[in-house]
Amino acid sequence: RKEVEQDPGPFNVPEGATVAFNCTYSNSASQSFFWYRQDCRKEPKLLMSVYSSGNEDGRFTAQLNRASQYISLLIRDSKLSDSATYLCVVTGSGNTGKLIFGQGTTLQVKP
Amino acid sequence: GAGVSQSPRYKVAKRGQDVALRCDPISGHVSLFWYQQALGQGPEFLTYFQNEAQLDKSGLPSDRFFAERPEGSVSTLKIQRTQQEDSAVYLCASSLTGAHNQPQHFGDGTRLSIL
Repeated sequence: RKEVEQDPGPFNVPEGATVAFNCTYSNSASQSFFWYRQDCRKEPKLLMSVYSSGNEDGRFTAQLNRASQYISLLIRDSKLSDSATYLCVVTGSGNTGKLIFGQGTTLQVKP
Repeated sequence: GAGVSQSPRYKVAKRGQDVALRCDPISGHVSLFWYQQALGQGPEFLTYFQNEAQLDKSGLPSDRFFAERPEGSVSTLKIQRTQQEDSAVYLCASSLTGAHNQPQHFGDGTRLSIL
């Protein structure tokens, strides 16, 4: 079983749609949580950190449920430019910055 | 530029050859990480440096993989006697302190193909 599990998709949605991605992680000692975005043949880029209280950045909302070890990302009013792979990421045990990535969920926004 | 720089961008080698991949982190970043990304998968951790010290090499797949950062800045990932399963994108990332809540900045990666 992978340490971070995501539905690989692809998710095909029309412009303007709301789409939600979820992931689960197995290491209860993980301390930090992130969503990264990766465009085709490009490097991963930090989209946002994820906190238990939930956090929002424009059209993006992220949520962490530590009890269920579950992380979510909600994208409202999807744009064509949102098409990418979204990587759910947690840190390893301890204070290490070692990142553990999920497989990624592919989003394709259609006109 | 001011980002993480990796070279070469592309590397093709024959099975059995040795390769060396270079990473130049953001100036002043103490921590440096190497990841391997196979096609269709998320990146997987290989190894981690804090300054020149290699603090975690648990992700290196075999003793054919070796990484160093002798002066605490530029790092080299070396793969000896390459095999076809080594074909992947090798990503380098750096962060200011290496703490768990610090964002990591990734380079463009080196795309390695073993024939």
